[in-house]
Amino acid sequence: TQLLEQSPQFLSIQEGENLTVYCNSSSVFSSLQWYRQEPGEGPVLLVTVVTGGEVKKLKRLTFQFGDARKDSSLHITAAQPGDTGLYLCAGERELYNQGGKLIFGQGTELSVKP
Amino acid sequence: NAGVTQTPKFRILKIGQSMTLQCTQDMNHNYMYWYRQDPGMGLKLIYYSVGAGITDKGEVPNGYNVSRSTTEDFPLRLELAAPSQTSVYFCASSYHRSNQPQHFGDGTRLSIL
Repeated sequence: TQLLEQSPQFLSIQEGENLTVYCNSSSVFSSLQWYRQEPGEGPVLLVTVVTGGEVKKLKRLTFQFGDARKDSSLHITAAQPGDTGLYLCAGERELYNQGGKLIFGQGTELSVKP
Repeated sequence: NAGVTQTPKFRILKIGQSMTLQCTQDMNHNYMYWYRQDPGMGLKLIYYSVGAGITDKGEVPNGYNVSRSTTEDFPLRLELAAPSQTSVYFCASSYHRSNQPQHFGDGTRLSIL
């Protein structure tokens, strides 16, 4: 059972287009993290959202945490070839009240063609 | 600034062989994790540790064992390799507080033939 459903799984777009990646769950998370992974490397954190309804921007990337802290979205404006990669959402659940164990979505493989 | 270091980067095993995947971190993180990544499946947690001497099972622990004798090292052992264990394995570490990022190594690509 996948606790965190990420969609779409694959996305191929032209440079300059906009896109949105969704991350949905029936579970409540204490926070939601977004990672980006390039071939041959480990995931690298982009952003963490903590508060329900929170919106964070990172240049052309906008991240939103749902009001009920069950879902999140990543919107990229005017995508560029350098945005190509695997995007992973991960929900944090409480662990020993001192930290979090992450549940990862399946990932979205983004390809931006020039 | 090495971060999380995994060795080896690639390995081919025969069915039934055993091996240890090494992971070390130099950030003094208490929490460490082992994941496997299969195409279209995201990252699945195998084992994790909240400190030296403490380990616990994740979502997919069968066929694996871990130990945590020091803060820095968290090796993952495969005792009897099976084709289903063909995957890319990632080690990660983090601080012992909520909302902290996990820092990943570059992975070990393992094939069982």
